[in-house]
Amino acid sequence: DAKTTQPPSMDCAEGRAANLPCNHSTISGNEYVYWYRQIHSQGPQYIIHGLKNNETNEMASLIITEDRKSSTLILPHATLRDTAVYYCIVSVPHDTGNQFYFGTGTSLTVIP
Amino acid sequence: GAVVSQHPSWVICKSGTSVKIECRSLDFQATTMFWYRQFPKQSLMLMATSNEGSKATYEQGVEKDKFLINHASLTLSTLTVTSAHPEDSSFYICSARMTGELFFGEGSRLTVL
Repeated sequence: DAKTTQPPSMDCAEGRAANLPCNHSTISGNEYVYWYRQIHSQGPQYIIHGLKNNETNEMASLIITEDRKSSTLILPHATLRDTAVYYCIVSVPHDTGNQFYFGTGTSLTVIP
Repeated sequence: GAVVSQHPSWVICKSGTSVKIECRSLDFQATTMFWYRQFPKQSLMLMATSNEGSKATYEQGVEKDKFLINHASLTLSTLTVTSAHPEDSSFYICSARMTGELFFGEGSRLTVL
């Protein structure tokens, strides 16, 4: 049901930018791209979401390609606390509102 | 951000017993809540969509008689695992949607002996 594919794991040096890619080639015009992360044994934490335009908030930036078939989450200055599993999700419209199906995610390890 | 709370955060029960997990939206009303299950080292799997005042919508392959969902108020949804067995041991996570964003609870870890 997930409409996204992500690399299973990535490493990033502390203080450097972490760029996490996501492919969503079957995305429809009204479907948003969301990013969440999950630290071990906790509930997922919202990071950012977008439709067409690039988005930025205090946590990260989201770059969506013009054809919307892929996106990249950027953590500008990774810290050890950013070590987590990052999920890229395409929300699927449903009768009662959008549903969120999780893919396999990318396990990001920030290295000191 | 909005707060979603789950209780209990962990529970151990004997095989054959039933376990109820509560999910509350603390500072907003949620007409729709979602229940996920997560096995170790795996992703979250959507089990069902809980709708206030009506029956839950279950994903394919999820037994509705096994996982009873009740959403009696705008701030509370409950998941009851009936006649639990060891294979039901998992991390159960609820979420509620507000203005297009999904807020998650901290999860409930169920261990069935």
